[in-house]
Parts: sequence; C-alpha cells; structure tokens
Amino acid sequence: GESVGLHLPTLSVQEGDNSIINCAYSNSASDYFIWYKQESGKGPQFIIDIRSNMDKRQGQRVTVLLNKTVKHLSLQIAATQPGDSAVYFCAERQAGNMLTFGGGTRLMVKP
Amino acid sequence: DTAVSQTPKYLVTQMGNDKSIKCEQNLGHDTMYWYKQDSKKFLKIMFSYNNKELIINETVPNRFSPKSPDKAHLNLHINSLELGDSAVYFCASSQGVTGEREYFGAGTRLSVL
Repeated sequence: GESVGLHLPTLSVQEGDNSIINCAYSNSASDYFIWYKQESGKGPQFIIDIRSNMDKRQGQRVTVLLNKTVKHLSLQIAATQPGDSAVYFCAERQAGNMLTFGGGTRLMVKP
Repeated sequence: DTAVSQTPKYLVTQMGNDKSIKCEQNLGHDTMYWYKQDSKKFLKIMFSYNNKELIINETVPNRFSPKSPDKAHLNLHINSLELGDSAVYFCASSQGVTGEREYFGAGTRLSVL
C-alpha cells in the first residue's frame, strides 16, 4: 500500500522564525491525523491531532491544517525554539484501521 | 510514573543469540504495539495486541515472537538474531482497538554484531 510522506527531508529554520512541516497522505478515506515529535534518543511524542471534519486546529505554538481536497496536512510551529529540533511524523488513520506513519521530517533550528 | 516503559534501553549482542525486550504500560490501555525504526527513521508496525489477543501481525520473520501475559505487558522475544535486526524497537499503547492516539516508550536500541 502507499505510505504517508515517504522521505526524511530536513527543514532548517532560524530561531524565532515560524516553521511549516508538510505531509502528503494518500488515503482519501482517512478520518484522523496526528503529528508526533521525536527527539534524539526518545520515542515519538504526541503533539496535536485533527479529525477530518475539521480543517484547522490550534495548540500551544502549534497549528495543524488539513486540506482534504489535495490530501495535505501541515504542522505550523510559531516562534521556533532550539527545543523544537526533532524529527516530526505525521500519521493517518482510516476508520477502523491502524495508524500509518509517514517517513518523518527533520527540523533543525539554528541559533 | 512513566506511562510506557521498555527495558533494556540498549542491547548489544552477537549474531545467533536470543534476546527479549520487555514493555509495560500503566495507562490502563487495551492495545499495545511493537514498532521497528530503521536508520532512516521509518517506523514500521510489527505487532499489535488487544487485551492479550494478537490483532495485527505484519510481515515479520517467525524469529520474532510477541508475548502478552496481561494487557499491561507486551514482550518481544527474538530468536537467532541477525545483523539486519539492528534497529530501534518501540513499544506503544493506545485506548481502544486500533487507530487511536498511541503513546510510545523511549525505545530499545538493538545492535547485532
């Protein structure tokens, strides 16, 4: 089957700038999406989720946008900090099925 | 008060050996998982158990055998270790059967020499 976000690209941003991490998903029947953050030497940690009946959800310094028309998910991090440096994964779920993880994006924050 | 804990954190062993990784969750979740993460950070589901019953078994060699003595524990036993088994293995848990938010352990880095 197809995967969500097949590559591990790297995004480099300046401290204080906003970051946008993108994810393309393949299954139009997916109804739930999650963003995870994985710091070096740790397991993935939940950041924010969104259901398919929404197109935007905000958390603390993070916003997830869902565009079902083009099957695109993005994570926006405001005022990026050094502690935001990590690998970020998107995951999708088709109702009744398991989560499928994308390949991840490495975010590097330059001081 | 760690939610999902797995041991050991590091495991270095010779080819051909048998080893186990243990996982425990104190979240009261019904479902537990094992993932393998390769050097490119790709997370691949291996197994999923719901209330001690196997519900997902992806294409994994028979040398890998999960065991769930109760719904709070899911251990992974690996026989006849091979070089290609070197990876980071993550345990996770979730409420419900599948597809819910998953909580991950810190990982076990397995190095097969």
